[in-house]
Amino acid sequence: DTGVSQNPRHKITKRGQNVTFRCDPISEHNRLYWYRQTLGQGPEFLTYFQNEAQLEKSRLLSDRFSAERPKGSFSTLEIQRTEQGDSAMYLCASSLRPTGTASTDTQYFGPGTRLTVL
Amino acid sequence: TQLLEQSPQFLSIQEGENLTVYCNSSSVFSSLQWYRQEPGEGPVLLVTVVTGGEVKKLKRLTFQFGDARKDSSLHITAAQPGDTGLYLCAGAVVGGSTLGRLYFGRGTQLTVWP
Repeated sequence: DTGVSQNPRHKITKRGQNVTFRCDPISEHNRLYWYRQTLGQGPEFLTYFQNEAQLEKSRLLSDRFSAERPKGSFSTLEIQRTEQGDSAMYLCASSLRPTGTASTDTQYFGPGTRLTVL
Repeated sequence: TQLLEQSPQFLSIQEGENLTVYCNSSSVFSSLQWYRQEPGEGPVLLVTVVTGGEVKKLKRLTFQFGDARKDSSLHITAAQPGDTGLYLCAGAVVGGSTLGRLYFGRGTQLTVWP
């Protein structure tokens, strides 16, 4: 069991630059979530995928943010023209929800990517 | 406004003491999860509760889900320095637009002194 992995663990960039983060979920997990956490706050939902389909995006996710999960396995989160307010921990989580059930799945989080925008 | 209110926000106690952390909401949750988070790391799952009134025990940690599935508590018996960390509750709202999306509380920062 390798768990959820995220790369890079830390990213420092200058305002206006683009950054991309990667998340590798637990194998066979069909759901993948992105959250953002700022200091002193709990994680806030950004978006989620079921397999390769992006099913919902939070209002927190401005047009500068885009997420993909092209083959239903790993996912990338890109931020274009970064702003200082984008500085946060970006967390990825995955879960396995059997199709056709209404039960709630348990989400397992990766170690996060800490973004600092100077 | 937070969908889940956690209290207290900070807790500093001596080794051996007992403590309780509360997680409250006016919304009904299909499930509620507790996580512990270390600085610079992602949240680590402790437990998931799904049934109203459910009680789960994990060594010295006892988790309870309210009968109405609107609140939960975490009780730690004989706290140890290794229990130090940020405790987060998170819930999936019944009938939410995103099934499985978690709403988090702000967390309780626990420090246990030797």
